[in-house]
Amino acid sequence: NAGVTQTPKFQVLKTGQSMTLQCAQDMNHNSMYWYRQDPGMGLRLIYYSASEGTTDKGEVPNGYNVSRLNKREFSLRLESAAPSQTSVYFCASSERSYTDTQYFGPGTRLTVL
Amino acid sequence: QKEVEQNSGPLSVPEGAIASLNCTYSDRVSQSFFWYRQYSGKSPELIMSIYSNGDKEDGRFTAQLNKASQYVSLLIRDSQPSDSATYLCAVKPANQGGKLIFGQGTELSVKP
Repeated sequence: NAGVTQTPKFQVLKTGQSMTLQCAQDMNHNSMYWYRQDPGMGLRLIYYSASEGTTDKGEVPNGYNVSRLNKREFSLRLESAAPSQTSVYFCASSERSYTDTQYFGPGTRLTVL
Repeated sequence: QKEVEQNSGPLSVPEGAIASLNCTYSDRVSQSFFWYRQYSGKSPELIMSIYSNGDKEDGRFTAQLNKASQYVSLLIRDSQPSDSATYLCAVKPANQGGKLIFGQGTELSVKP
């Protein structure tokens, strides 16, 4: 099993460009999450999906949209990238949304110029 | 006040010593508590979870939870250089679905 995979690993964008970060898990988990990690800020939740067909906002949803394409895949879209979105983005999944361990993907390092 | 607070460190301990990492949280009704380890440039991985007051031991790691004082700690016995990493405390508040609130992390350095 690959666990949680993310593409791309690195990306450089210009201000105003759009892109989609892809995440997939092969553990048959119900819940999936998108976080961003900035120096000194820890991990902050952007959006999460408790189950297929549902999505909810986290702490920092502004400037992002998500799609839970199916049980395996959860994508994060930046419609008009801004330098403030320069960060490392992690996708995670868990079997259920309550109490279960979250497993993280390898991350995407995004730079917006 | 931040919802989950940790000393950012770095915390430096000699090899073989006990490393003590602390975390406080603001939401009194939080129910689930986690410690993640993150090596530089890598993703977080779970090392301990704790749900009830008291101590929980797993090998060289002990998590301690005190809900009345709203703190959770992680002790690492016989620290090894391979334990050098950033340790993230995470709290799952009650009635907020699957959200985890993370502290900013404490950087631990174990010197040979």
